[in-house]
Amino acid sequence: QEQLVESGGGVVQPGRSLRLSCAASGFIFRNFAMHWVRQAPGEGLEWAAVISYDGSNTYYADSVKGRFTISRDNSQNTLYLQMHSLRVEDTAVYYCARARGYCINNRCYESYMDVWGKGTTVTVSS
Amino acid sequence: QSALTQPASVSGSPGQSITISCTGTSSDVGAYNYVSWYQQHPGKAPKLMIYDVSDRPSGVSNRFSGSKSGNTASLTISGLQAEDEADYYCTSYTSSSTLVFGTGTKVTVL
Repeated sequence: QEQLVESGGGVVQPGRSLRLSCAASGFIFRNFAMHWVRQAPGEGLEWAAVISYDGSNTYYADSVKGRFTISRDNSQNTLYLQMHSLRVEDTAVYYCARARGYCINNRCYESYMDVWGKGTTVTVSS
Repeated sequence: QSALTQPASVSGSPGQSITISCTGTSSDVGAYNYVSWYQQHPGKAPKLMIYDVSDRPSGVSNRFSGSKSGNTASLTISGLQAEDEADYYCTSYTSSSTLVFGTGTKVTVL
């Protein structure tokens, strides 16, 4: 059974750092790109970042660029999101999701998410 | 990376059909046939309902269908059922190799 389990959330003060993890099982993790998506309390979904299957390419939403880093360890079947300089507005449930899409002419379009974790909650508060 | 525009709410009676719109720009919805739709019940993770504008994953009811015209994509739910009451989000691939979500639509079954 394909499964993603996030961990690492908690309460942190503004300006501090936190690292989230996402453990994958039930599928060949190293074959898939992965996304992080977040949802602030009472708000909609916001895409945060994507990483290619081998970690060689990463892309970020403007709201997290320069502060968050997505990475992966294919030997451990684990995805990470390192978050620095956290702000109150980063308070959210953070979901990891398996990416699906197409690669055409050496460009990959990881355009949708077919397996989601249940999320981990990050609260940034003084 | 402005969010795609969706109506805040749509409602219908059981058995009726409803359509949710998702409007973007020529840099996202209008540029690629890579629009997907997600259903989210309260307190739950999102669930993929439609990908690549109009394809349905295995296990998703054929009451759900998708389409696109220009910069606007649409999700239609036919034969509305009580279990369809949820929030729905569209997503599009963008010319910056990122994804952008829609603002979300709350579907109410009257």
